Amino acid sequence: EDQVTQSPEALRLQEGESSSLNCSYTVSGLRGLFWYRQDPGKGPEFLFTLYSAGEEKEKERLKATLTKKESFLHITAPKPEDSATYLCAVQAFGAGRGKLIFGQGTELSVKP
Amino acid sequence: DGGITQSPKYLFRKEGQNVTLSCEQNLNHDAMYWYRQDPGQGLRLIYYSQIVNDFQKGDIAEGYSVSREKKESFPLTVTSAQKNPTAFYLCASSITGGSGDAYEQYFGPGTRLTVT
Repeated sequence: EDQVTQSPEALRLQEGESSSLNCSYTVSGLRGLFWYRQDPGKGPEFLFTLYSAGEEKEKERLKATLTKKESFLHITAPKPEDSATYLCAVQAFGAGRGKLIFGQGTELSVKP
Repeated sequence: DGGITQSPKYLFRKEGQNVTLSCEQNLNHDAMYWYRQDPGQGLRLIYYSQIVNDFQKGDIAEGYSVSREKKESFPLTVTSAQKNPTAFYLCASSITGGSGDAYEQYFGPGTRLTVT
């Protein structure tokens, strides 16, 4: 069964304290892995798509990496405005086209 | 401005009533999706549509119905048969491509439905 697990469930950081969020996945074949940011009461905002192991993408203080079993979202010198829930999702070969499997998310809190 | 709109933002209904949630997009996307989000759980797929006049059940379709008569619109009806309808509902859309391709989905702002 295709599955996505994110850890930790919650992460508290001080402003400027770099860290990483983990997304482990088990799928029959990976079409793509997606990272989203979600603020409370709002819809998820698209951040990155990764397609193959070794791929990396960056946006401001965020960097996403991908291996054959997991993805990391590295946050460098975070600011309070980076506080949000970060969602990971995968699209697998063999699943219905466009179907995403989401993890439960990591709730990030950055204190000034 | 291109995007996805969902209305209303908050919706309250009495148990036993059907309710329809609106989703409109002007991104010219072929595919549209409905998800449900509950506290502590990931997004779960209710229905999805890759093209007008066609849609497929997702993982939790029981108690829900959809239609796709126009490319821009994908309304979701929560019927009285849905046992636990109170949740945050999210609509999304994406482009479609070759069978091996994966494309990001863009989400609307969501509708919070409360049934009492």
